[in-house]
Amino acid sequence: AQKVTQAQTEISVVEKEDVTLDCVYETRDTTYYLFWYKQPPSGELVFLIRRNSFDEQNEISGRYSWNFQKSTSSFNFTITASQVVDSAVYFCGGQNFVFGPGTRLSVLP
Amino acid sequence: GAGVSQSPSNKVTEKGKDVELRCDPISGHTALYWYRQSLGQGLEFLIYFQGNSAPDKSGLPSDRFSAERTGGSVSTLTIQRTQQEDSAVYLCASSPEQGRGNQPQHFGDGTRLSIL
Repeated sequence: AQKVTQAQTEISVVEKEDVTLDCVYETRDTTYYLFWYKQPPSGELVFLIRRNSFDEQNEISGRYSWNFQKSTSSFNFTITASQVVDSAVYFCGGQNFVFGPGTRLSVLP
Repeated sequence: GAGVSQSPSNKVTEKGKDVELRCDPISGHTALYWYRQSLGQGLEFLIYFQGNSAPDKSGLPSDRFSAERTGGSVSTLTIQRTQQEDSAVYLCASSPEQGRGNQPQHFGDGTRLSIL
């Protein structure tokens, strides 16, 4: 069975700080996909990124970056120069409908 | 817009009543998922439909829960004899599926169900 762990339940940072959200994925599959979703206070989950386990290159999109390390099954998400609008619950997910419990990020002005 | 549409957005009902929740996926998406999100919690998988294949019902918590997907499009999640522990937000998602959950899912706004 697959399992996604997000050890950080809640994180608070001050605006403009960098913050990293951790995700660890356990599976016996040799190939798999991983995802990050954002759930703002309004409630609707929004897809952020999908990563294939074959690809260990870091990915950057604006202030967001993702670091996947297959050896440790970690898929961490960094927000650079955080903004108040980044405040949300962030979910890491894998295939087979498995999601982590989420990390609540609060960015304070 | 052409996103995933769920109705009703809120439902309040008395314990013991049956409820039906509706999901209208994005046109052309063959995969449809139902999840439950209790207050402050993560997503709990309920059921997965993919094309004409038999649905994966492995996440349904009891036989009071059932779901249908008619014509490969609209889906209805039915909860019979509701209990207070059924109170949660029920989320529907769809994707242009090619495998089990390997495509990004597009979520609806959810139905907030409150059992009195």
